[in-house]
Amino acid sequence: AQKITQTQPGMFVQEKEAVTLDCTYDTSDQSYGLFWYKQPSSGEMIFLIYQGSYDEQNATEGRYSLNFQKARKSANLVISASQLGDSAMYFCAMSATDKLIFGTGTRLQVFP
Amino acid sequence: GAVVSQHPSRVICKSGTSVKIECRSLDFQATTMFWYRQFPKQSLMLMATSNEGSKATYEQGVEKDKFLINHASLTLSTLTVTSAHPEDSSFYICSASKSAGGLEDEQYFGPGTRLTVT
Repeated sequence: AQKITQTQPGMFVQEKEAVTLDCTYDTSDQSYGLFWYKQPSSGEMIFLIYQGSYDEQNATEGRYSLNFQKARKSANLVISASQLGDSAMYFCAMSATDKLIFGTGTRLQVFP
Repeated sequence: GAVVSQHPSRVICKSGTSVKIECRSLDFQATTMFWYRQFPKQSLMLMATSNEGSKATYEQGVEKDKFLINHASLTLSTLTVTSAHPEDSSFYICSASKSAGGLEDEQYFGPGTRLTVT
């Protein structure tokens, strides 16, 4: 069975610092995709970054990068130069066959 | 872009009544739409997957007679909560995919609908 684990219920980071949000996954599929979404208090899910299981290079999107370690089955999100507007819930998700499986999320709070 | 809208954004209904939530893809055709439920401070749980013109596929434990899903066109899916009870109060989010569900296919999420059943 596929599973996504986010072990950090909450994280704090000071503005302008970098922060890593952890995500591990479990799957027996050879092909899969890993996503990160941001959910601010308003509720909408905002796509941040995608990593395919066969992608050899770590994905990057602006201040977001995904530290993909396939052997360890981890897909950590790194946010560089944190901003106050980064405060939100962050969900890691895995695409399995035709649906997304979400982790329990990490609440990130950025302080001045 | 790929914009998905939901209507209404908030709804309060009385116990025993039915409520319909609409999910629309505004600038693309959505081959597949998904309905999720999110309880406070919890993750998104997939309720069902729908493809245009066919019956929805429900996840285990989701009552198909209670949560009616209709995907009548490539831009519209509706979720009807029938005979709503207070425990149905939740945040309902839809998403839409441009294709039939490849691994890298991004799901575009709607802004969500907060349902409160009194």
